Amino acid sequence: AQSVTQPDIHITVSEGASLELRCNYSYGATPYLFWYVQSPGQGLQLLLKYFSGDTLVQGIKGFEAEFKRSQSSFNLRKPSVHWSDAAEYFCAVPRDAGNMLTFGGGTRLMVKP
Amino acid sequence: DADVTQTPRNRITKTGKRIMLECSQTKGHDRMYWYRQDPGLGLRLIYYSFDVKDINKGEISDGYSVSRQAQAKFSLSLESAIPNQTALYFCATSENRGSSYEQYFGPGTRLTVT
Repeated sequence: AQSVTQPDIHITVSEGASLELRCNYSYGATPYLFWYVQSPGQGLQLLLKYFSGDTLVQGIKGFEAEFKRSQSSFNLRKPSVHWSDAAEYFCAVPRDAGNMLTFGGGTRLMVKP
Repeated sequence: DADVTQTPRNRITKTGKRIMLECSQTKGHDRMYWYRQDPGLGLRLIYYSFDVKDINKGEISDGYSVSRQAQAKFSLSLESAIPNQTALYFCATSENRGSSYEQYFGPGTRLTVT
């Protein structure tokens, strides 16, 4: 069955520093991959998605992610973090059927001034 | 106005009480979902509905029931609330296209069962 793992439950970075959030997936075929962000008090919002083609995907809010098939990874990156990026981030892959998603456990990002 | 709304946003209830969480959407999507979020566990699917006449259990449906009153409305009920149902609950929608996996989420309902 498809699954997704986010190894880091919490990450703290300083404002202006670079960020990488890890996501590892288990999927039978070439996966569709998603990153969502949940800001405090809000629902999840799609940051970016990978379906096919270029393995480096650009998203909203200055985020990007790179699909690496050899490592079964889809890590999320940002060159310079802003305080407003403090949130919880979820990686997701499709389920077996029904156009639904399986979510990772989430990574909570804290940003130090 | 928000495309997916949830009411209430916060609720405290007692063990054994029946409670209903409501979700409405203006996106015109056929597919709707209920998730619960617990720290470290991500989002887990409770129920989903692909149209008004279609209701399906997710991976953690025990203790919950749903009603799809219309294309735009999907309610989640806890028949007899228990403390381990304390969680953040999200409603989501998606398009009815075979290639579309993107989901649109409501702001969540924080439920506390004492």
